[in-house]
Order: sequence, then C-alpha cells, then structure tokens
Amino acid sequence: GQQLNQSPQSMFIQEGEDVSMNCTSSSIFNTWLWYKQDPGEGPVLLIALYKAGELTSNGRLTAQFGITRKDSFLNISASIPSDVGIYFCAGPSFFGNEKLTFGTGTRLTIIP
Amino acid sequence: EAEVAQSPRYKITEKSQAVAFWCDPISGHATLYWYRQILGQGPELLVQFQDESVVDDSQLPKDRFSAERLKGVDSTLKIQPAKLEDSAVYLCASSLAVEDTQYFGPGTRLTVL
Repeated sequence: GQQLNQSPQSMFIQEGEDVSMNCTSSSIFNTWLWYKQDPGEGPVLLIALYKAGELTSNGRLTAQFGITRKDSFLNISASIPSDVGIYFCAGPSFFGNEKLTFGTGTRLTIIP
Repeated sequence: EAEVAQSPRYKITEKSQAVAFWCDPISGHATLYWYRQILGQGPELLVQFQDESVVDDSQLPKDRFSAERLKGVDSTLKIQPAKLEDSAVYLCASSLAVEDTQYFGPGTRLTVL
C-alpha cells in the first residue's frame, strides 16, 4: 500500500525560528493535505494542494506540491508557541476512493 | 462553530470486555469516518460511511470491530472483545461529501489493560 514518510520525526526550535518539514510518498498523489494535531485533539486541516508545483500560503504557513507529485513541503515562518503540535501530511488514494493516507508525523517543540 | 462530537473522551477497559464509542458528525455531513491512531503514528481509516451505508471497511478487523450509522446521522463503533493491541485513540471525522474537507472530532482514548 501507499506510505507517506515525514521528516524530520521531531524538531526542537526556539521561538521566532523558521521551520521546514517534508513528506515523501512511494507513489503519486493528486492532492496533498497538511494537518496539525494539538494534544488531546483531532487533526485540523491547514493547507490543501491540488496541482503539481503549486505553492500555497496560509498566514505564516507555506506549503508546496512537489513537481514529481511524490513529495510536499511545509514551512512555518517566525514560529510562535501555539505552533507546537504534530504536523501530518495526507493524501487521498490515487485510485479514486478518496481514502486518506496519513504520514508518520513531525512533532514540533518550541524551546523557551 | 459546528464540531464533531465524540464520547467518551477516555475509556479504560480490561481485555475481553466490550467497548463502544459514539460520534455525532457536523449537521448535514453525509460522509462519516472512523480512524484509529496508534501512539506516534498518523490516523488510519477503519470505516467510511456515506449516509447510512458502509463504503469502505477494508481495514476494519471485522472479527471484533463493528460500526453502524443506522439513520445516517450519528454513529457507533464497537469492539468486542477488546485486546491489548486495541489501545489507541479512535477519531471520528465527517465531511459534506466524499471529496470535501474532513473535520475531526477530539477522539476517544482507549486503554486496554
């Protein structure tokens, strides 16, 4: 089946730093989604990407749909304490049943 | 703002017991999903409903898990008997339609002792 690998697994940064994380797939995706999950909560959609090469921003977040359609990147600029959480990439099955496959997650921690 | 409701938030049970989780999707959402999230991993789809019908339960361990959405609104996920490896967070999500954004509930954290 499809697998989504995220790196890094975890990040420890200081407030104000920029953050970069990525997600790679063993197969092609037609849509890339980025979610954030806070402790004790369900994932919340941050950004959706629908076209290879697309670059989309949501406030301090910017995500890109890789040209090969097998990867995606998420950047967070000027991190703040509320950015702490786990970031997941996800994508629907290429075979059209829209079942979402989630990545392994990147845990972001901000060091005071 | 409308939210997906789940209960209970936490459940501790002994192995071989039966447990049930409830989900109330956002009003008007036709598609409902149950996911299992093992600690340190991303959510994995267990079952997907379109109204009252199951459209995908390929990852549901049907020997012990069952799910229903009798009136096409709220849904129940049951495990009987529970096993130690069932310890996880069970997330419910809903969307207006299959291709639309999925909104997740807070989840039920299950611990099997």
